[in-house]
This record gives sequence, C-alpha cells and structure tokens, in this order.
Amino acid sequence: AQRVTQPEKLLSVFKGAPVELKCNYSYSGSPELFWYVQYSRQRLQLLLRHISRESIKGFTADLNKGETSFHLKKPFAQEEDSAMYYCALDTDKLIFGTGTRLQVFP
Amino acid sequence: DAGVIQSPRHEVTEMGQEVTLRCKPISGHDYLFWYRQTMMRGLELLIYFNNNVPIDDSGMPEDRFSAKMPNASFSTLKIQPSEPRDSAVYFCASSLTGASYEQYFGPGTRLTVT
Repeated sequence: AQRVTQPEKLLSVFKGAPVELKCNYSYSGSPELFWYVQYSRQRLQLLLRHISRESIKGFTADLNKGETSFHLKKPFAQEEDSAMYYCALDTDKLIFGTGTRLQVFP
Repeated sequence: DAGVIQSPRHEVTEMGQEVTLRCKPISGHDYLFWYRQTMMRGLELLIYFNNNVPIDDSGMPEDRFSAKMPNASFSTLKIQPSEPRDSAVYFCASSLTGASYEQYFGPGTRLTVT
C-alpha cells in the first residue's frame, strides 16, 4: 500500500535548537518525495523536493531508501519556522502524511 | 494573478443541509485538485480534473460528495446531505502540468457542520 507516515503531530523546540521532522513512506516503486509547509494564515506551498537535493530556508531532507525515510532537518530552528509541515509521496497523485506542527519558542 | 480562489472561506451549516464549495483555478492551469484536511487524516486527495474531465475520484468518501468542473475557470464540490463528520478544511489546487508537486493551493474553505 502507498502510505506516508508522520509519527509526530506536534514538535516543540526552542530557537537555535536542531529540528528533525520525521517522515516514512511505503511505496513499491521509485519514490519521489516532497515537503510542503503551511505558515499561519498562508497557503500550503512546496518547500523542497528530494530530487533537487537543495537546501531551502536552511532545511534539508535526504531520501533513505533503506529506511524508507525522508526526514526534514534544520540545524538551528528559527521562530519563523513555526508552521505545519507535510511530507508527500508522488505516485500518480500526491499522497500526504498527516502533518507535523512545528512550534519554535523564543 | 490572485492565485487559486476559493469561496466561501468559512461555512457553517446544519446537518442535512447541502453545501457547495467553489474554486477558481489559476488561469491556464489544466489540472484542478480537491483536498480535504482533518486532524486525524491530514490532507487527502478527493478528486482531480484534467481539462475539466474528472480523472480520479477514488478519494471521494461517499455518494454524498460530488464535484463538477463545467469550464476551465470554475469547479464546485458539493456535499448533500452534510454530516458533522464532514467538518474539515477543503482545499482546491491547480497546476499547469501533470507533475503532481507543481500544485498551487488555494486558501481553503473551513466547513463546520453542526
């Protein structure tokens, strides 16, 4: 079955602390994975794609096929990173996880 | 461009009533998607259209839900009759190509069914 799992509904950290938002997937094919972000009162938007292997706003995500994971990481969290984060798997359509709310306290 | 436009932004209705949610995609986008967002299930794809034709409606929960796209600039999602468990945020998104990730999301409609 095609599935995306985000085990944490809420992740709270202090400013400057490292952040890791977990994402695991289940897919028999070659996965294409993405992270989306929704800031307060803003629209859901694409944050990054695994295939581009780039860092966006200090965030990176590495696809680990052995562990079927695509965790989102940032070494030093900022208050403006507080948002809802969704991991998504692209099959012939996007399958989203349940999301993790990141709260960064000052 | 104002992006994807959804109306209303908030809807409160009583159980049993008909609810119609509206979406205007970005001009020129050939694909339109309807999603439902809940705390328990996150974001779920309900249905998507290509060139106004429904391609995949496997995510539509039951017969009470229906979606139409009469033209390239307008789509509706209707729930009849509505139930409290339909309470959620409904998002519309559009994309120029079939690449799923290149979707632009609307602001969503928050539906509350009492």
